Amino acid sequence: GAGVSQSPSNKVTEKGKDVELRCDPISGHTALYWYRQSLGQGLEFLIYFQGNSAPDKSGLPSDRFSAERTGGSVSTLTIQRTQQEDSAVYLCASSLRGGNEQYFGPGTRLTVT
Amino acid sequence: AQSVTQPDIHITVSEGASLELRCNYSYGATPYLFWYVQSPGQGLQLLLKYFSGDTLVQGIKGFEAEFKRSQSSFNLRKPSVHWSDAAEYFCAVGAPNQAGTALIFGKGTTLSVSS
Repeated sequence: GAGVSQSPSNKVTEKGKDVELRCDPISGHTALYWYRQSLGQGLEFLIYFQGNSAPDKSGLPSDRFSAERTGGSVSTLTIQRTQQEDSAVYLCASSLRGGNEQYFGPGTRLTVT
Repeated sequence: AQSVTQPDIHITVSEGASLELRCNYSYGATPYLFWYVQSPGQGLQLLLKYFSGDTLVQGIKGFEAEFKRSQSSFNLRKPSVHWSDAAEYFCAVGAPNQAGTALIFGKGTTLSVSS
């Protein structure tokens, strides 16, 4: 079956611009996670959605970062006024409700110039 | 604080030789434990997991891992490495009996395989 998909696979943007990253979870998975993978920092949790519950935003590094999940499926991570330190690979994962195994997408590589 | 340590940043193993990648964790209770593999330009693929029960768990691609509570370790092993195993390996922990929590990852170990 189809796995987690993310788009775009690569994004180059100028400092100060806004970017939107998209994640399509595995069909039937109600939990969705965003992580950031950067050199020197490893994998960091950003935000978690479970069904219609309020998201866990505890990992978002600043108020320039936000995410939404429409219809309990597709999610968009938005970074406003991008900075060079935002350059990283942004990974999305999903899991079944009550599940502990997270399945990851291929990631979006964001480069801020 | 909860953390995962992978002491080896980079390991080189000859093809056909055995492999052990180390993982130690710091957690208030026994967490759920995971190993993921990431090939260049790819996302993370789950190799195996430990939730409870038998402390030796089998995963995909011939990998296994052993949970040792006394050492707070969850080392990954493979008896005979293939060139296609060259990748980055991540150990991760998750809150036990609590679905939908973020995983905490180690910084990863890069495996190179020499011929």
